[in-house]
Amino acid sequence: GAVVSQHPSRVICKSGTSVKIECRSLDFQATTMFWYRQFPKQSLMLMATSNEGSKATYEQGVEKDKFLINHASLTLSTLTVTSAHPEDSSFYICSAIEYSYNEQFFGPGTRLTVL
Amino acid sequence: TQLLEQSPQFLSIQEGENLTVYCNSSSVFSSLQWYRQEPGEGPVLLVTVVTGGEVKKLKRLTFQFGDARKDSSLHITAAQPGDTGLYLCAGGRHHNNDMRFGAGTRLTVKP
Repeated sequence: GAVVSQHPSRVICKSGTSVKIECRSLDFQATTMFWYRQFPKQSLMLMATSNEGSKATYEQGVEKDKFLINHASLTLSTLTVTSAHPEDSSFYICSAIEYSYNEQFFGPGTRLTVL
Repeated sequence: TQLLEQSPQFLSIQEGENLTVYCNSSSVFSSLQWYRQEPGEGPVLLVTVVTGGEVKKLKRLTFQFGDARKDSSLHITAAQPGDTGLYLCAGGRHHNNDMRFGAGTRLTVKP
């Protein structure tokens, strides 16, 4: 299957700082990537759909100015959590569609802790 | 409100027992996926079902898609401790570009 990586796997930051998370499709091109957030013992909640070369589509209730998404190439999407606060602490997971497999492949996730 | 309802939410069983996890919705899906997620990792796809009434078997796991494509079940035979994890169903309404996840079933298999 196709491989999706995320970096970093863990990040701890101070309140008020910004954090960038990278999502890469390693062996395929992904015109569409997705960003999810998962709180402890809960399911995945879709935050936004990232489209290469265009603006991301955000789900209702997700602040686009706080969660900046940039899909600059067919293999890389980034999520920047701006002015992070403790309530932003969560597990952030990206995924990408590999059309030949007709499947969505997930990255390993990034654990963000805001102190 | 969760688009996909999964039950049970938690399940703790002994090794060797059988179990069934359910995924129900009032919506029709073009496809439905089952994932397994371990703590601190991303979900891993187990199976995709696309045809109403479809049954797929993956070793000890049997997946069924309802005739109306609104519900699905996952049956595990002779569960093993390695089956422990969070099982998520996800429904796609427009190919894979619009996928919604259920709340998950957290399975613990005790040795």
